[in-house]
Amino acid sequence: QSALTQPASVSGSLGQSITISCTGTSNDVGAYNYVSWYQQHPGKAPKLMIYDVSNRPSGVSNRFSGSKSGNTASLTISGLQAEDEADYYCSSHTRSTTLLFGGGTELTVL
Amino acid sequence: EVQLLESGGGLVQPGGSLRLSCAASGFTFSNYGMSWVRQAPGKGLEWVSVISGTGGSAYYADSVKGRFTISRDNSKNTVYLQMNSLRAEDTAVYYCAKDGPVGVIVPTRFDPWGQGTLVIVSS
Repeated sequence: QSALTQPASVSGSLGQSITISCTGTSNDVGAYNYVSWYQQHPGKAPKLMIYDVSNRPSGVSNRFSGSKSGNTASLTISGLQAEDEADYYCSSHTRSTTLLFGGGTELTVL
Repeated sequence: EVQLLESGGGLVQPGGSLRLSCAASGFTFSNYGMSWVRQAPGKGLEWVSVISGTGGSAYYADSVKGRFTISRDNSKNTVYLQMNSLRAEDTAVYYCAKDGPVGVIVPTRFDPWGQGTLVIVSS
């Protein structure tokens, strides 16, 4: 199975909004509402930011939101802050009872 | 506070074996699936394996199927990853992570993650 498709990099200015896409297939993203998003700062373990497409864990800022349409999920970060600069990964449960990650997106805050 | 602490990483020769452990605390361990996820140096995340809360079900990525075995000891709040026939491409930081609760499909979401343990496969 191939990884989910994410843009390699995105950038935005402080205070602006950005959206990261995550494209899969009808066997993963399109099949279930089990899409998650993770934030990873250099040298650190990933942190769950969104689960089940659009739910935020306790403690995650409401500037982070998720959505899905068909085989593509999206993560939107509004009001960009310097600490948002990190790598972001999407993931999805699959029909094979496995899990796929996206290739990761490097977010640069200008 | 939920905590996960991996151990057992190190340098191993190609074809060798290694067993990773992940000690959990701060939650009812047997109520949750547990996953292993790895990250090769400078690369992205790759899901490796999941085991259900009871230990009755386990699933693997194709890249490790037949070589790796996941298990858990709910009396010790610990999950293991036995890695055999190791290859250079298995070199990575291995993270354990708390997955979904019993009754929910796994693997789905990972929260939290341990700090990771580095496995290097090299001669």
